[in-house]
Parts: sequence; C-alpha cells; structure tokens
Amino acid sequence: GQQVMQIPQYQHVQEGEDFTTYCNSSTTLSNIQWYKQRPGGHPVFLIQLVKSGEVKKQKRLTFQFGEAKKNSSLHITATQTTDVGTYFCAGRPLAGGTSYGKLTFGQGTILTVHP
Amino acid sequence: GAVVSQHPSRVICKSGTSVKIECRSLDFQATTMFWYRQFPKQSLMLMATSNEGSKATYEQGVEKDKFLINHASLTLSTLTVTSAHPEDSSFYICSAARGVAYEQYFGPGTRLTVT
Repeated sequence: GQQVMQIPQYQHVQEGEDFTTYCNSSTTLSNIQWYKQRPGGHPVFLIQLVKSGEVKKQKRLTFQFGEAKKNSSLHITATQTTDVGTYFCAGRPLAGGTSYGKLTFGQGTILTVHP
Repeated sequence: GAVVSQHPSRVICKSGTSVKIECRSLDFQATTMFWYRQFPKQSLMLMATSNEGSKATYEQGVEKDKFLINHASLTLSTLTVTSAHPEDSSFYICSAARGVAYEQYFGPGTRLTVT
C-alpha cells in the first residue's frame, strides 16, 4: 500500500533559524496536505497542494509539491517559538483505487525552537 | 471554518468495559468521517472510514467487532471501544469531510486510558 515517509523525525533550532521538513510518497499523489499539531492538541490543516510543481506561501511558511507529485516540503523562515509542534504531511492517492479519499500521514517532524 | 467536536475529551475506564466516543460536525454536513488512532509522538493511523448511512470500512488489522463505528446522521459518528484492554489506551481522533475527497477537519481528540 501507499507509504509516506517524512524526515527528519526531530529538529531542534534556535529561534530565528530556518527549518525544513521533507515528505516522500511511494506512489504518485492526487494531492498532499500539511498539518500542524501543537503539543497536547489535534492536527490543524495548514494547506493543500494539488498541482505538479506547485509552491504556496503562508507568511513565513513555504510549501512545495514536487514535479512528479511524489514529494513535498515545508520550509519555515526565521522560526519563532510559536512554531513549536509536530508537522505532518498527508498524501491522498490518485482517484480510482480503493484507497481514494484516504489520507496517509507521514510520521511527522517534531520541531523544537529554543529562544 | 468547519468545526468538529469530540466527546469526551478524556476518559478512564476499567478493563473489560466499553467506551463510546462521539464525533460531531457542528457547522457542516459530513458525508464522510474518519477515525484515527495516535500513539505518543507517533503519526495518525487511520482505523476506519465511515460514510453516513452505510457500514464503515476498516483498515487492515483493525477489528471491526472491537471498534464499532456508527454514522447515523450527517453530523454524528460514534466509535465504541468494546471490552477495552490497557493496550487500547491511546489518543483517538476523528475527522469529518463533506465527501471522501474533500478536506478533512479534525476533532480535538479523545484520550482513552484503560486501567
């Protein structure tokens, strides 16, 4: 079945440093979504990427979807303590299969920001 | 935005008892609801997909007789953990979507502890 690998598992940065997490799928995706989960909280939707090579920005966050629609990245510029949490990517398979509609989550990257 | 509630937020039960968790979409009609399980510092594992008015589809390895799912209306799905054991202790999160291919909105989660 579909697998989504995410690296790194942990990332510790000093406030002001940049941060990037990478996501790779074993199969071509219909789209990919990114979520943030604060400690003790639940996943909160950040963004969805649909098009091959798509790049989207949300303030200090930049999301990219690979040309082959199998990988994605999230980059945070000049991290702040409020960025602390676990960032998950979640891939949706192409339409037509039995897994259509289901999201497969990556393992997540736990980000710690030291002030 | 779409709001999904879950009740209870925390529950402690004795081994052998059953626990029911409710997931409600408060401001939209959710044709599809998903149930996930999350262990500490791990990713979300999809347990089952629930479509209103039909039987849930369970992921491989998830016992349907142990994790009973009911999606009787467009705003409510329930997960009942039957004959709970300590190994069932986990964080259970539901998500709701307008359809199988739409964005998922997550509930706040239910932390189950079985003693």
